[in-house]
Amino acid sequence: DGGITQSPKYLFRKEGQNVTLSCEQNLNHDAMYWYRQDPGQGLRLIYYSQIVNDFQKGDIAEGYSVSREKKESFPLTVTSAQKNPTAFYLCASSISVSGTEAFFGQGTRLTVV
Amino acid sequence: DAKTTQPPSMDCAEGRAANLPCNHSTISGNEYVYWYRQIHSQGPQYIIHGLKNNETNEMASLIITEDRKSSTLILPHATLRDTAVYYCIVRPHAAAGNKLTFGGGTRVLVKP
Repeated sequence: DGGITQSPKYLFRKEGQNVTLSCEQNLNHDAMYWYRQDPGQGLRLIYYSQIVNDFQKGDIAEGYSVSREKKESFPLTVTSAQKNPTAFYLCASSISVSGTEAFFGQGTRLTVV
Repeated sequence: DAKTTQPPSMDCAEGRAANLPCNHSTISGNEYVYWYRQIHSQGPQYIIHGLKNNETNEMASLIITEDRKSSTLILPHATLRDTAVYYCIVRPHAAAGNKLTFGGGTRVLVKP
């Protein structure tokens, strides 16, 4: 089935450790996005990528890093510089940056202890 | 980017129409209105979008006022599975990128 897959669904890490969240899509979409969601809040954009080997900072990029070496993959690294990393992370893709709809993965819930 | 304003929550009776308002008074002429919904602990799901004409699909109808400063999403026959947070989003012009900035949304509770 075509879709966007995030793994793992739940992730636990110790404070001070970097952690990488996976996002893979087989929809042949050019654009991919990472959002963060805190309890009871809306989604905030971390990074987005319009095409392979290109990405731009969103509204809350500090403490995060991304790469886009392959069209189907857009991993997000939460670094130790992120002050409050515990959150629900959502990955999305769209056919292009002007695509009419974005498809979202089921999210990764990261807990840092 | 134009901001949107939505009521934080609303209840709806099962089987009745749910009318979800959104205010986007600073929308510019080439910005579209998008609606997404998010069921608890899942990724958001696209519902519908429009520029200035009313739109309808199998999920919902979108009514945009003539001045485009507000819109209403209509779920014609709400079911319990429509309980979710509904986000109204104004998307920037294509050339500026498709950032899809989400606000707080409206938490809709469909009651039996």
